[in-house]
Amino acid sequence: DTGVSQNPRHKITKRGQNVTFRCDPISEHNRLYWYRQTLGQGPEFLTYFQNEAQLEKSRLLSDRFSAERPKGSFSTLEIQRTEQGDSAMYLCASSLEDINTEAFFGQGTRLTVV
Amino acid sequence: AQSVTQLDSQVPVFEEAPVELRCNYSSSVSVYLFWYVQYPNQGLQLLLKYLSGSTLVKGINGFEAEFNKSQTSFHLRKPSVHISDTAEYFCAVSAGTALIFGKGTTLSVSS
Repeated sequence: DTGVSQNPRHKITKRGQNVTFRCDPISEHNRLYWYRQTLGQGPEFLTYFQNEAQLEKSRLLSDRFSAERPKGSFSTLEIQRTEQGDSAMYLCASSLEDINTEAFFGQGTRLTVV
Repeated sequence: AQSVTQLDSQVPVFEEAPVELRCNYSSSVSVYLFWYVQYPNQGLQLLLKYLSGSTLVKGINGFEAEFNKSQTSFHLRKPSVHISDTAEYFCAVSAGTALIFGKGTTLSVSS
């Protein structure tokens, strides 16, 4: 097992374009989390899946953001009509049980909106 | 609502010196606390966690932390740091389904 994998590692896009990121969790983990990290801040929770069900969404997840986890395996995070304020590192994590067990993080996707 | 405050944004130390990274928490329910480390261009890695039991928690790489309920603190310590400990350190509290992170402390170890 190679851990949590995120693609792409870097993405530069023009304002107004749509972008999609992918996260492949550790295979037996049924919980998957998306976080956003901006410069000088800690990771901020965006959303959480248990298997294929999206169980919680943060108020940070505006209607331009959508996340899916079809079949409870990989997950995608799409941002529509990107804005400069969306520039950040997007982190994915997975865990076997609840968040109080160890959550394993991917290396993140760095988004730059120009 | 749960929150954590990391009291120092940057901590510079010399190699082999002891270090303490400070974290205070706010929670109205049972507290589960964590320290994660992020090396440059790497994902976050769990250093240690407190769920219950002994208030002194030992983690990886020689780090330890002490849960202090009366002080609402969970400070991270290492008796002797190495150059390789240079990284960003995050304190976090469990909010049930997700972790709430502090803003991080940059530990810079120089020779």
